[in-house]
Amino acid sequence: AQSVTQPDIHITVSEGASLELRCNYSYGATPYLFWYVQSPGQGLQLLLKYFSGDTLVQGIKGFEAEFKRSQSSFNLRKPSVHWSDAAEYFCAVGLGLSGNTPLVFGKGTRLSVIA
Amino acid sequence: GAVVSQHPSRVICKSGTSVKIECRSLDFQATTMFWYRQFPKQSLMLMATSNEGSKATYEQGVEKDKFLINHASLTLSTLTVTSAHPEDSSFYICSAAKDRAFGMNTEAFFGQGTRLTVV
Repeated sequence: AQSVTQPDIHITVSEGASLELRCNYSYGATPYLFWYVQSPGQGLQLLLKYFSGDTLVQGIKGFEAEFKRSQSSFNLRKPSVHWSDAAEYFCAVGLGLSGNTPLVFGKGTRLSVIA
Repeated sequence: GAVVSQHPSRVICKSGTSVKIECRSLDFQATTMFWYRQFPKQSLMLMATSNEGSKATYEQGVEKDKFLINHASLTLSTLTVTSAHPEDSSFYICSAAKDRAFGMNTEAFFGQGTRLTVV
């Protein structure tokens, strides 16, 4: 069965420091990978996605992620974190090529940013 | 970008009553919509797939008679929590697929979510 693992439940970083959120997936076919951010009580906003091609994907708000097939990973990075980045981050895998298939989410990583 | 609107954003209801949550795609037609449930500090779990003009497909363990899904048009899906109980309290989020195939410009668009509290 498909699964997504986010090993870190909660991460705290200082403002201006770099950030890496880990994501590992288990999926037998070509993965379609996503990172979403959720602010408290809000819906999900797509940060970036990977379907094919360049394994380093650029997203919004200065985020990027790198797909590494050999490690089954899709880690999210940001070189300099801002206080407004504090939120919950979810990694997800699409179950198929069709847009009519749902996403499988990891359990999320809560990011706290301190001054 | 495409917009999915979910209403209400927050609802408190008495135990035993029913609550309807609406999910609308505002500027595109969605043949398929998904309903997810999120428990506190947990991930989103798929509840059901809503297909316009046909019956919804429910995930294992989700009671279809309790969570009624209606996808009457290409822009509206509703989730009705019937005879709600406190354990139904949760955050419910819908998403809509804009296109039939994933591509560089395709993504799942999410509603803002509905916080349901059953007292």
